[in-house]
Amino acid sequence: QQQVKQSPQSLIVQKGGISIINCAYENTAFDYFPWYQQFPGKGPALLIAIRPDVSEKKEGRFTISFNKSAKQFSLHIMDSQPGDSATYFCAASSKGGSEKLVFGKGTKLTVNP
Amino acid sequence: NAGVTQTPKFQVLKTGQSMTLQCAQDMNHNSMYWYRQDPGMGLRLIYYSASEGTTDKGEVPNGYNVSRLNKREFSLRLESAAPSQTSVYFCASGDRGYKDEAFFGQGTRLTVV
Repeated sequence: QQQVKQSPQSLIVQKGGISIINCAYENTAFDYFPWYQQFPGKGPALLIAIRPDVSEKKEGRFTISFNKSAKQFSLHIMDSQPGDSATYFCAASSKGGSEKLVFGKGTKLTVNP
Repeated sequence: NAGVTQTPKFQVLKTGQSMTLQCAQDMNHNSMYWYRQDPGMGLRLIYYSASEGTTDKGEVPNGYNVSRLNKREFSLRLESAAPSQTSVYFCASGDRGYKDEAFFGQGTRLTVV
């Protein structure tokens, strides 16, 4: 049973466009929702994270939108750049932090120049 | 500052062989984790250690054992490797804080033939 469902599996966007990746969860005990970015041959790195007490969090070109009632959250990348090409993972934890993270299956983003 | 260091980076094992994956962190974190990453599956937690001297099972612990040798080091052992354990293994560390980030190593690519 997959606890965090992520879509799409792959995404191709033109430079300057908006990339949107969606995640849904079932476990209402989840209280921490990070997004990780992974480049080929590297380990994942934290991009941005949100807790359920806010509906949106923005850091530069990256925004998380969170809908608690729908149990969904999404990552928006504004003005997408070729350097954003990577695999993105949403995750969730019921421990309030990075402990025991449950990851989605990942989205491979390609930003064409 | 090295962060999280994993050794080896690559390994080929024959079915039934044993090996230990090493992980060390220099960020003085209390928590350490072992994940495996398989194509299209995201990252799945194998074992974690919330503090020195404690370990607990994650989502996919079967076939693995761990040792939290001290605060810095957390090793993962495969007693009798199976082809199903072919994967990329990531060690991570983290602590509760304002950002709650899990820092990942570069990964160990293991092939069991």
